[in-house]
Amino acid sequence: DQQVKQNSPSLSVQEGRISILNCDYTNSMFDYFLWYKKYPAEGPTFLISISSIKDKNEDGRFTVFLNKSAKHLSLHIVPSQPGDSAVYFCAASAANYGQNFVFGPGTRLSVLP
Amino acid sequence: DVKVTQSSRYLVKRTGEKVFLECVQDMDHENMFWYRQDPGLGLRLIYFSYDVKMKEKGDIPEGYSVSREKKERFSLILESASTNQTSMYLCASSLGGRLNYGYTFGSGTRLTVV
Repeated sequence: DQQVKQNSPSLSVQEGRISILNCDYTNSMFDYFLWYKKYPAEGPTFLISISSIKDKNEDGRFTVFLNKSAKHLSLHIVPSQPGDSAVYFCAASAANYGQNFVFGPGTRLSVLP
Repeated sequence: DVKVTQSSRYLVKRTGEKVFLECVQDMDHENMFWYRQDPGLGLRLIYFSYDVKMKEKGDIPEGYSVSREKKERFSLILESASTNQTSMYLCASSLGGRLNYGYTFGSGTRLTVV
């Protein structure tokens, strides 16, 4: 059973508009979350993180929101650009997992010019 | 520029062959990981290592083994390749302590077993 879920396999957004990528988790012990972006034929690259002591973290066009009670986080990209087209993975970790992260299945974002 | 390098970008192997996937990092990271990526399943952890000569099973270790004889190198071994091991394999490394920027990934090896 997947502990980290990304229920939308794909998402299309018009350039300049907001992209919202969602992630749900089932393990209440998760307390640190990351988003990675992956282009074809490349490894995933770190995008943004959030700790469970916060409910929001912002870095330029990227903002991650965390709702602990709902076990839900979302990544907002504003404004979306064609270069943002990639697969986005949500990842979560807990203190008792050591250095390991659990990844979601990914959401493919397409930003249309 | 810090790097995780995987020796092959594409590999085609026959069923039953022994396959070695090599990964080298130049960041002096303690931790190294092997994941496979499959559509709809995301990244699944095969094996990981927190130190030289140390290895731990991940979520899907069956059919795989690993070797870490030096800090910078982590090898994934498919003892007898099977078609269900056709996948994208990703190596990653990280500093000790998880509350950092997570992993640095290599570019991946796309393995096809025929």
